[in-house]
Parts: sequence; structure tokens; C-alpha cells
Amino acid sequence: QKEVEQDPGPLSVPEGAIVSLNCTYSNSAFQYFMWYRQYSRKGPELLMYTYSSGNKEDGRFTAQVDKSSKYISLFIRDSQPSDSATYLCAMSPSGNTPLVFGKGTRLSVIA
Amino acid sequence: GAGVSQSPRYKVAKRGQDVALRCDPISGHVSLFWYQQALGQGPEFLTYFQNEAQLDKSGLPSDRFFAERPEGSVSTLKIQRTQQEDSAVYLCASSLAVAGAANEKLFFGSGTQLSVL
Repeated sequence: QKEVEQDPGPLSVPEGAIVSLNCTYSNSAFQYFMWYRQYSRKGPELLMYTYSSGNKEDGRFTAQVDKSSKYISLFIRDSQPSDSATYLCAMSPSGNTPLVFGKGTRLSVIA
Repeated sequence: GAGVSQSPRYKVAKRGQDVALRCDPISGHVSLFWYQQALGQGPEFLTYFQNEAQLDKSGLPSDRFFAERPEGSVSTLKIQRTQQEDSAVYLCASSLAVAGAANEKLFFGSGTQLSVL
């Protein structure tokens, strides 16, 4: 079993839909949780960065961390075709230890 | 520069050849990471530099892989005697932060896609 599990999809939704992406993990030492967006043939781009449990909102994006369940989520409201990309969760025990990434979920938003 | 720059963008190597992949981090960024991303997978950690010091190389898959950052800016990842399983995208990332927060505001380059035939 990998440390971080993420359904690779693909996930296809109509424009304007609410998208829910999630990851589960097994290492209870993880404290830092991130979501990255990766467009085809590009490097990952940081979307959300959270420490420990709780929610964080930034525009159309909301990140949730439930450490008791070892489960993190990313919600995208009013999804746009430009949101079509692969979304990677990543986590680490501390701020400067290597990130452990999920496999990524491929999202397509259809106009 | 405007972002993390990696070269070459694509590299095709015959099995057994040596390759060198270059990373130009954002100017002034102290922390530099190398990751390997296989097709359909998430990036996997290879090695970490803080300035010129290689603080963690636990992710390097074999002694055929070697990385350096001699002056604390540009970094080179070298793979000797390439094998087909080395085929992947090699990503470089840099951060202004040092201890305690290097993962925050981590900027990735577009990667070098290595194909070993």
C-alpha cells in the first residue's frame, strides 16, 4: 500500500459543476498538506497549502484536512474548462522534508 | 529569471549512454529539489539541496544517479549508463525558504522528458 492514495480518474464534469477531489494517507506524521495543479507537459503549480487539520478557502478553491480520518479534499466551485488538468495531492511531516505525492486525478471540465 | 528553467526539454538516449539534465532555479532561491515523474504517476523525490549542500539524497534510485549544485545556483542531475526504466520526466523545484518552510511556495520547472531506447 502506498503512503498516499489518490483515484487517478479520469473525472469529467460539465462547466459550472462543483468538483470534489480527495486523497487518503497512511502516515500519521504528515502535518503539511498541499494541492498542486499540473497542466499537460508542464510542472506542478501550487494551489493550496495547509498545515494540520481544518479548512482553507481561496477563491473558488477550498481545501479540507481531516487528520482523524487521514483524508484530505479539494473542492472546486463553478468549475471552468481552464480547470481541466491533473490535480496532485502532496504531503510531508515537516515543512522541509520531501513531499510525498499522490498519483494525481485527471479532471476534464466540459463547456 | 521568470521561473525555474530546465534543459533540455526533451532528451532521447540509447541504453547505456550517460545524460546530464540542467536546472536553473529562480534567482536567490536557497532550496532546490529534484523529482522523478513516471508516466501516469505523481512526482517522486530524488534529492534536496540547500545552497550547495546536498542534504538529502535518499530518493536517488541507484549509484548511477548523481546530482550537484557546486555554486549554490544551477544544478545538474547526471544519470550514467541509462536504462529503459529511467525513462520519465525529471522535475526540478526551487524555494526561497530554508529550514522549516522549504515546501511552501515551491516552484517547479516544466521538466526534462527523458526517453531511453
